[in-house]
Amino acid sequence: SQTIHQWPATLVQPVGSPLSLECTVEGTSNPNLYWYRQAAGRGLQLLFYSVGIGQISSEVPQNLSASRPQDRQFILSSKKLLLSDSGFYLCAWGRGQGISYEQYFGPGTRLTVT
Amino acid sequence: AQTVTQSQPEMSVQEAETVTLSCTYDTSESDYYLFWYKQPPSRQMILVIRQEAYKQQNATENRFSVNFQKAAKSFSLKISDSQLGDAAMYFCAYNGDSNYQLIWGAGTKLIIKP
Repeated sequence: SQTIHQWPATLVQPVGSPLSLECTVEGTSNPNLYWYRQAAGRGLQLLFYSVGIGQISSEVPQNLSASRPQDRQFILSSKKLLLSDSGFYLCAWGRGQGISYEQYFGPGTRLTVT
Repeated sequence: AQTVTQSQPEMSVQEAETVTLSCTYDTSESDYYLFWYKQPPSRQMILVIRQEAYKQQNATENRFSVNFQKAAKSFSLKISDSQLGDAAMYFCAYNGDSNYQLIWGAGTKLIIKP
């Protein structure tokens, strides 16, 4: 069975500090991978998605970046965090073809920028 | 462009009763998939139920069922015999154009009263 991991689970960082969130998937190969951000009590905002190693598509221009150094590893980074980067970050992987495509989510990382 | 609308920001129901969450969508596609995801207080998103537009039979997963009205572009989720563990945010999502991205509704917060 497939499993998706995210770490850390919780992070408190000062403004201007760097960020690195990691997501890994087990039990599948060549998954599509996604980073979402969610403000408290709000919906999902797609930040980045990747269809393969080194292939990253950005949905929202901001000070965040993503990388996919390995097939099942997806990293979200920032060189200098802003207060507005606080939120809940969810990684997801996709399964299926065409319109039957489904997404499965990791446990998330709660980021607080102080 | 496709859109998904959840018009109920919050719903409440007495434990053991039935509740229906609404979702409407806009699309010009004839075949597509619709999903309901649950996000409990732990905030990990869980796929609850899926429906293919070409299937006339409404999907059912235990106490969860959908009322899919294709002509009306409506996809409501019915939860029978509500339990305290059903308390969560519920998100409706659409996939219809094979670009490996889901279109998300804003979510409905479900409160279960004991």
